[in-house]
Amino acid sequence: DVKVTQSSRYLVKRTGEKVFLECVQDMDHENMFWYRQDPGLGLRLIYFSYDVKMKEKGDIPEGYSVSREKKERFSLILESASTNQTSMYLCASSSGGSGNTIYFGEGSWLTVV
Amino acid sequence: GDSVTQMEGPVTLSEEAFLTINCTYTATGYPSLFWYVQYPGEGLQLLLKATKADDKGSNKGFEATYRKETTSFHLEKGSVQVSDSAVYFCALSEWSGGSNYKLTFGKGTLLTVNP
Repeated sequence: DVKVTQSSRYLVKRTGEKVFLECVQDMDHENMFWYRQDPGLGLRLIYFSYDVKMKEKGDIPEGYSVSREKKERFSLILESASTNQTSMYLCASSSGGSGNTIYFGEGSWLTVV
Repeated sequence: GDSVTQMEGPVTLSEEAFLTINCTYTATGYPSLFWYVQYPGEGLQLLLKATKADDKGSNKGFEATYRKETTSFHLEKGSVQVSDSAVYFCALSEWSGGSNYKLTFGKGTLLTVNP
């Protein structure tokens, strides 16, 4: 069974802290994604990666960075957390191809106080 | 650029009612189309998909047909259950250069089914 695992379901961080959200997939997928989900705005793409050590900006990359040192792991980094980054973060992965399914993790609820 | 527009919710139905959630899209090429479902407290999971025009995707009693002429992919179910209460997302995937494919989502439609 396919699996995308996000390391933390719920986090509370202080403004200015550096935050790491970790994601691991066990399907040997080339593509990995980080989305942010907010009420009324749907899912917005932050960053994606099509290969190890490769990253591409999505629609809302400001305030975020990513790291992909190994094929199975894709990390989202908030260099200095702010209250407007309070949100649900979803990691996803897929193999190549337009018709291929994207598989999602269960999400990480981040609250910045 | 690509975009997906789906009907705004929330949608509230009684059990066994007929469901339609409208979805239309804008794309430059030949996208694949998806419906994802998100149950409370969970991530998204694929409900159904269609990869070319006139294809019909189906799963768990839900259906959607890829209509290129109307650029639509409406989700339907003949008789909803309380367990179908969730947020439904329409999405498209299109080639964005090289071997890359980008997935674009609609804003989601909250469905509540009452007993």
